[in-house]
Amino acid sequence: AQRVTQPEKLLSVFKGAPVELKCNYSYSGSPELFWYVQYSRQRLQLLLRHISRESIKGFTADLNKGETSFHLKKPFAQEEDSAMYYCALRAISGTDKLIFGTGTRLQVFP
Amino acid sequence: NAGVTQTPKFRVLKTGQSMTLLCAQDMNHEYMYWYRQDPGMGLRLIHYSVGEGTTAKGEVPDGYNVSRLKKQNFLLGLESAAPSQTSVYFCASSLAGGPYEQFFGPGTRLTVL
Repeated sequence: AQRVTQPEKLLSVFKGAPVELKCNYSYSGSPELFWYVQYSRQRLQLLLRHISRESIKGFTADLNKGETSFHLKKPFAQEEDSAMYYCALRAISGTDKLIFGTGTRLQVFP
Repeated sequence: NAGVTQTPKFRVLKTGQSMTLLCAQDMNHEYMYWYRQDPGMGLRLIHYSVGEGTTAKGEVPDGYNVSRLKKQNFLLGLESAAPSQTSVYFCASSLAGGPYEQFFGPGTRLTVL
């Protein structure tokens, strides 16, 4: 079964501290992984996808197939990073659905 | 472009009442989705559509019906609302082919008393 696990409901850090939001998945095939973000009073939006291997707003995420993980990292957190972050999986088998994790709320204190 | 819009933004229902949530997109996307967002449970897929006139069940379809009569619209219906359907409902759409990305609407907050 496809599943996405985000073990932390809340992650609190101070500005300038490193951040790592954990995401683990279960899927027997080759997945496509995403991070979506929801800022306060804004709609959910794509932050980054593993295929692009890009850095967005200082965030990066590497797909580790051995550990079935796709952790989101940022070396120096900013207050504007405070938001709800969702990890999502898409099975590369002709489906066009996303399986979302339960989300992690990131709070960055000044 | 407005992107994905949802109507209404808020609604309070009494148990047993019915209502329809409207989702519209102006991006000519083939695929559309309805999710519910509940604390501690993330986003769960209710129903989705891969094209005009087609619908399919998602993870939590019970108590909901959908219709996709026009490509740009995806309706979510609650025939007999229950308190367990109190939630925030999000609609999303995506393009068939190309880099995959779902575009979300602003959400509808529904309370069932």
